[in-house]
Amino acid sequence: QKEVEQDPGPLSVPEGAIVSLNCTYSNSAFQYFMWYRQYSRKGPELLMYTYSSGNKEDGRFTAQVDKSSKYISLFIRDSQPSDSATYLCAMRDTNAGKSTFGDGTTLTVKP
Amino acid sequence: NAGVTQTPKFQVLKTGQSMTLQCAQDMNHNSMYWYRQDPGMGLRLIYYSASEGTTDKGEVPNGYNVSRLNKREFSLRLESAAPSQTSVYFCASSVGEQYFGPGTRLTVT
Repeated sequence: QKEVEQDPGPLSVPEGAIVSLNCTYSNSAFQYFMWYRQYSRKGPELLMYTYSSGNKEDGRFTAQVDKSSKYISLFIRDSQPSDSATYLCAMRDTNAGKSTFGDGTTLTVKP
Repeated sequence: NAGVTQTPKFQVLKTGQSMTLQCAQDMNHNSMYWYRQDPGMGLRLIYYSASEGTTDKGEVPNGYNVSRLNKREFSLRLESAAPSQTSVYFCASSVGEQYFGPGTRLTVT
């Protein structure tokens, strides 16, 4: 079993929909949680970065961490065609420099 | 401020040839990483360097070597390329969250 499991998708939604992307993990030592967005044929870019449990909002994006359930989510409100990309979750513990990545969920937002 | 840069962007090798992928960062980060990304397999860590002068194996190190030349530069070498090494290679640097380069698309025939 992988340390980080990400909903595989692919996911296709109409423009304006609310999108929920999810990851579960097994390592209770993880404290830092990241979401990356990767457009086709580009490198991943950091989208959201959160520490421990709780919510963090940035414009149309909300990252949610539930450490008791070992579950993290990324919500996208009013989704746009420009949000079409692969989304990767990542997490690390307090002391390690390495992050563990999910395999990614590919999202398509149709006009 | 260029962030993380990688060269070359594309490369085609014949089986058995060698090459070095170059990576540099200008963010003064201590940690640097090399990943490969294959369809349906996500990002797999090849090697990483927690600081200048140190390197450690990741998940898939076989067939690769690395050099942390200084704080800015971290290179990945394929000594004898194999078709199984056809992939997209990403370099990253971090202070916690990682910042990625644009990638090198490598094809080994």
